[in-house]
Amino acid sequence: DSGVTQTPKHLITATGQRVTLRCSPRSGDLSVYWYQQSLDQGLQFLIQYYNGEERAKGNILERFSAQQFPDLHSELNLSSLELGDSALYFCASSVSPLNEQFFGPGTRLTVL
Amino acid sequence: DAKTTQPPSMDCAEGRAANLPCNHSTISGNEYVYWYRQIHSQGPQYIIHGLKNNETNEMASLIITEDRKSSTLILPHATLRDTAVYYCIVRVLDNAGNMLTFGGGTRLMVKP
Repeated sequence: DSGVTQTPKHLITATGQRVTLRCSPRSGDLSVYWYQQSLDQGLQFLIQYYNGEERAKGNILERFSAQQFPDLHSELNLSSLELGDSALYFCASSVSPLNEQFFGPGTRLTVL
Repeated sequence: DAKTTQPPSMDCAEGRAANLPCNHSTISGNEYVYWYRQIHSQGPQYIIHGLKNNETNEMASLIITEDRKSSTLILPHATLRDTAVYYCIVRVLDNAGNMLTFGGGTRLMVKP
């Protein structure tokens, strides 16, 4: 158990819908990262927040957005969902950008 | 971040040492070598990292060549639970974004 929690574990929805994935970092960690893992793309970095501010952006689609709240939990919002958005979404956290990242168990999103 | 090259798969007998190689011939002087593993769709797990000296922790040892162009992760006594995909990642550590760039990794199969 890494100490990073993600909810929900599984999510099944339809194309065109919007979903929100939630991540609670390890106690004391200020940095949160979101990654997407699909069968054809592997593990890809989406976005990073540090103490509430966006720090880095990867291959995140415009339909996707995220934020980190004052209590340091983070949410990833996915809208206008397409079949290709079906994937595992992982959240990771670290004390600071200089420290190793610890990953949560992931949310498996299925878009039908 | 520098690219890494890993064999796609390896086998190891249970109880024997597993030696996983990684080539990173374009690594820069300020880039660290990190190893993570992912056990069947679980969140990636941090194993170890180093800059130029060999490192050891309770999970593994990391041997980095003197020219830093390659490294080897050693699991001293592999168990069935070590069956996973192992990722070698090189990255700069700074206060900017510190995303992890995952390649294909090595699928290690530990056999009884």
